[in-house]
Amino acid sequence: GNSVTQMEGPVTLSEEAFLTINCTYTATGYPSLFWYVQYPGEGLQLLLKATKADDKGSNKGFEATYRKETTSFHLEKGSVQVSDSAVYFCALSDRTGRRALTFGSGTRLQVQP
Amino acid sequence: DVKVTQSSRYLVKRTGEKVFLECVQDMDHENMFWYRQDPGLGLRLIYFSYDVKMKEKGDIPEGYSVSREKKERFSLILESASTNQTSMYLCASRPPAGQGDQPQHFGDGTRLSIL
Repeated sequence: GNSVTQMEGPVTLSEEAFLTINCTYTATGYPSLFWYVQYPGEGLQLLLKATKADDKGSNKGFEATYRKETTSFHLEKGSVQVSDSAVYFCALSDRTGRRALTFGSGTRLQVQP
Repeated sequence: DVKVTQSSRYLVKRTGEKVFLECVQDMDHENMFWYRQDPGLGLRLIYFSYDVKMKEKGDIPEGYSVSREKKERFSLILESASTNQTSMYLCASRPPAGQGDQPQHFGDGTRLSIL
């Protein structure tokens, strides 16, 4: 079956530091890949997505590249801000069947001023 | 913008009660989903629906049922609430598969406590 593995948190960084959150996946076929973000007290918001190999998704300074050869979709940001403090979820959607999302366990990011 | 509205942000119920969680979306989406979110486990799919009156079990359907009488509304029912159903519940919707691989849109969640 499908699965997503994320690095465990919490990740604590100082403002303006470089961020990487690792995500690898197992899936049949060619899934679409997503990063969702959950701010405190809120639901999930789509941060970025990639639908095929070598696609790069980007939004709000965050980037992730769909790497089929390493089955990875690592999230990066060059300079984090306090407002980026949230929980980040990597997810995949297979192109067949139910099209529900399979989520990783989430990584909490804490950015200190 | 798509809006997915969950009827309650916080809910406290007692063991054995029948509990209803309501979700409404305003974008005429065919597909709707219920997940539960637990620390260290991410989100897990309980049930989903791809049309009115159509439903399928997700990965953890035990102890839950759902109802989809109208396209915009998808209800999650805890038949007899138990303490291990204390969790954050998230509803989501998305367009049908024929419109490309569109992302799911989530509500703000209902934090349910079973005492």
